[in-house]
Order: sequence, then C-alpha cells, then structure tokens
Amino acid sequence: DTEVTQTPKHLVMGMTNKKSLKCEQHMGHRAMYWYKQKAKKPPELMFVYSYEKLSINESVPSRFSPECPNSSLLNLHLHALQPEDSALYLCASSQGVGRSLTQYFGPGTRLLVL
Amino acid sequence: AQSVTQLDSQVPVFEEAPVELRCNYSSSVSVYLFWYVQYPNQGLQLLLKYLSGSTLVKGINGFEAEFNKSQTSFHLRKPSVHISDTAEYFCAVNIIQGAQKLVFGQGTRLTINP
Repeated sequence: DTEVTQTPKHLVMGMTNKKSLKCEQHMGHRAMYWYKQKAKKPPELMFVYSYEKLSINESVPSRFSPECPNSSLLNLHLHALQPEDSALYLCASSQGVGRSLTQYFGPGTRLLVL
Repeated sequence: AQSVTQLDSQVPVFEEAPVELRCNYSSSVSVYLFWYVQYPNQGLQLLLKYLSGSTLVKGINGFEAEFNKSQTSFHLRKPSVHISDTAEYFCAVNIIQGAQKLVFGQGTRLTINP
C-alpha cells in the first residue's frame, strides 16, 4: 500500500481564520513533506520532516506552521493567510533520507483564501 | 546547482501515436531522476525513476525513459498513447542535502487528441 491521505479535499477560509491541513501515511515512512502548487506550475517544497524533526524550511512565512505529532501524521496549521496563498497543498512521504528516495504524494488539499 | 529543464510546455499528439517528453538536467554530482504524472485535480503519481544501473528504465502505464549521461537527458517515451494519458508530466531531480529535496521541471502538458 503506497497511499498518502490528505484531509480536507477542499478548504475555503477567510484571511482571519485559523485552519489545519492533515496528512497521514501508514507505510512506515520516516520523512514527510509539504509542497505548495499554484495552477500550471510545478510543486514547490515548503517543509521536510525527517524522523519527526523539521529538517528543511524553505523560508516559508510564519503564517504556515507545520507539525509532526508522530511518524504517521503531518499537519499544516494556517493562520492569517493571504489570497495569494490559494493553491493546491500536497503532502508526500518517503522511506527516509537515504538512497531509495521515491516520494509518494497524496491527492492534495485545494485551498481558497478569500 | 542542480536544475531540471523540460523543453516543451505542451505536447499535443493523436491517439495511438508515439510520444517523447524531453527533460534535461544539470548537476555536478550523481543524480537520481524521476518522472511523475499529475492527472487533473489529483496529486502526483510516480511513473518511473532512475537511481543507477541500466540506463533504460521501464515504468507504469507503458512508459519508459532513457538516462543519457553525456547529453544530461532523461527523456520519457511511450510507443502508443491513449486518451487516458492526458495529464501534466513532471521531470524531477533529487538533491541530497541531508534530507532529500526534489526539484521539479516546469512540467509538460500532454494532450491526446482522438
């Protein structure tokens, strides 16, 4: 089973709201990722967690706050977002940070900020 | 710095025709290369990957790619396409920086016409 699940599928929020995106995998993977994808663009890396510790933050604004409560779960907390943050947010996981490095992606959460 | 260039932003082909989607990379170190497909309103799915060994890599859905070190290319091919192959295709290179980091090309939109 190579499934990464993400909830919710769609989210509409105002600029003053607080919401969270959730990502889950049960493949025993120890690295998890958040990507942001704008329309007709490739995914852009936001954060990498390795063994539940944040290892890469690609200079993402603090209104995005990641959290990895355990090895199967990854959250992205959203607060005071801007309309330009509207995008598809993709979660991915991989076995680790060694040679066998296929990332498996979830279906994404489509976020609209009004 | 490692980077990926996908030479065609759009490729229209007729059903049952062959197709080649081009990808060139630049890297000063050993590379790990991937092709992902994204169907409309979905996440990314791995088509195939090159880590080492045979330069001809076979993937899912009848796709294959050839790693060419001298030309720094990793072109994706399929001998006969179907309507269901209509999607966005991304070439990616894996940068090992303590934690793996995928860098994507800009994507190629493959449109299959009946």
